[in-house]
Amino acid sequence: NAGVTQTPKFRILKIGQSMTLQCAQDMNHNYMYWYRQDPGMGLKLIYYSVGAGITDKGEVPNGYNVSRSTTEDFPLRLELAAPSQTSVYFCASSPNSNQPQHFGDGTRLSIL
Amino acid sequence: RKEVEQDPGPFNVPEGATVAFNCTYSNSASQSFFWYRQDCRKEPKLLMSVYSSGNEDGRFTAQLNRASQYISLLIRDSKLSDSATYLCVVNDDYKLSFGAGTTVTVRA
Repeated sequence: NAGVTQTPKFRILKIGQSMTLQCAQDMNHNYMYWYRQDPGMGLKLIYYSVGAGITDKGEVPNGYNVSRSTTEDFPLRLELAAPSQTSVYFCASSPNSNQPQHFGDGTRLSIL
Repeated sequence: RKEVEQDPGPFNVPEGATVAFNCTYSNSASQSFFWYRQDCRKEPKLLMSVYSSGNEDGRFTAQLNRASQYISLLIRDSKLSDSATYLCVVNDDYKLSFGAGTTVTVRA
């Protein structure tokens, strides 16, 4: 059982480049989330989704976009990478908002 | 006021000691509470759910005080492997809110 799978694990981008962080879960969870975690800080919610076709902004959505065309996949897109987006990105899923979230291994992104 | 607040620590304790720390939350309507553990540069992992009556899982005991809106975690007989950051997580409307974490370091 793979759980939550994130790709890539590491990436270095130049300022202004774009990329998509992939997230897939095989647990048939309705809820999926994207967080960023800066060094020494807590997790901040970027976007979340309560089901296929539905997405909502979290605490820090600026500079990011998401889509949820299937239950399994929840990609996060950076359109114009900025140094402030250097962070570790975690994807998570849960059956509903009251249940614990399962996390992927994270994507470490550096923008230079 | 932050939704979930934790003492960042660090708590430095010797092996075998007991360590306890709290987390406060602002939304009195919160229904679900969890403790997660996060090792350096790794993903958070669920340690335990917190139930109204309090619950125990081996050396770990969690308590919920709804009147004062805080959750506690107690670790007995600390092991070196307990060194980590412990995240308090509270259901807040339609999502979970994470505290910034309490760092625990267990020394030999």
